[in-house]
Amino acid sequence: AQSVAQPEDQVNVAEGNPLTVKCTYSVSGNPYLFWYVQYPNRGLQFLLKYITGDNLVKGSYGFEAEFNKSQTSFHLKKPSALVSDSALYFCAVRDGGTYKYIFGTGTRLKVLA
Amino acid sequence: DTAVSQTPKYLVTQMGNDKSIKCEQNLGHDTMYWYKQDSKKFLKIMFSYNNKELIINETVPNRFSPKSPDKAHLNLHINSLELGDSAVYFCASRQEAGNSPLHFGNGTRLTVT
Repeated sequence: AQSVAQPEDQVNVAEGNPLTVKCTYSVSGNPYLFWYVQYPNRGLQFLLKYITGDNLVKGSYGFEAEFNKSQTSFHLKKPSALVSDSALYFCAVRDGGTYKYIFGTGTRLKVLA
Repeated sequence: DTAVSQTPKYLVTQMGNDKSIKCEQNLGHDTMYWYKQDSKKFLKIMFSYNNKELIINETVPNRFSPKSPDKAHLNLHINSLELGDSAVYFCASRQEAGNSPLHFGNGTRLTVT
């Protein structure tokens, strides 16, 4: 079965510092991986995806993610964090054989001024 | 110009009542979903429809019944509401081709008292 793990409930980072939010996955075929962000009282917003190709994927708001097949990871990164990046981040994997998107448990990012 | 809109935004009701949540998307997508987000922010898929046909039906009590009158609408009807049904319910849609991401509505916060 497909699954996604986000090992950190919360990540704290100082404004201006680089940030990393971790995600590992388990799939039986090719992984289709996504990152979403959720602000309070809002739905999830798509940030970026990896389907195939370059291991470094660039997305919205300066975020990027690195796909690592050997470590089955898809960590979200940003070179310089902003206070406005504070939100809940979800990693997701699509089961290639079905229409299902499986979400991780979410990581709360707090960027401190 | 909302892409995925859900109504109502808030729903407070008593145990045993029957209620419906409506979802409409104007993106021309052919696949729609219902997700449940609990108090710990875990997201769990409930149902999915593709071109008005049910394609995903997770382990959800029979009290929950989705209905898709056309591919732009996916409603969720809940019978005999229970305290444990309290959650935020998100509607989402996507275009099936090309591993496109999910587009989420802003959620319906259901509180059962």
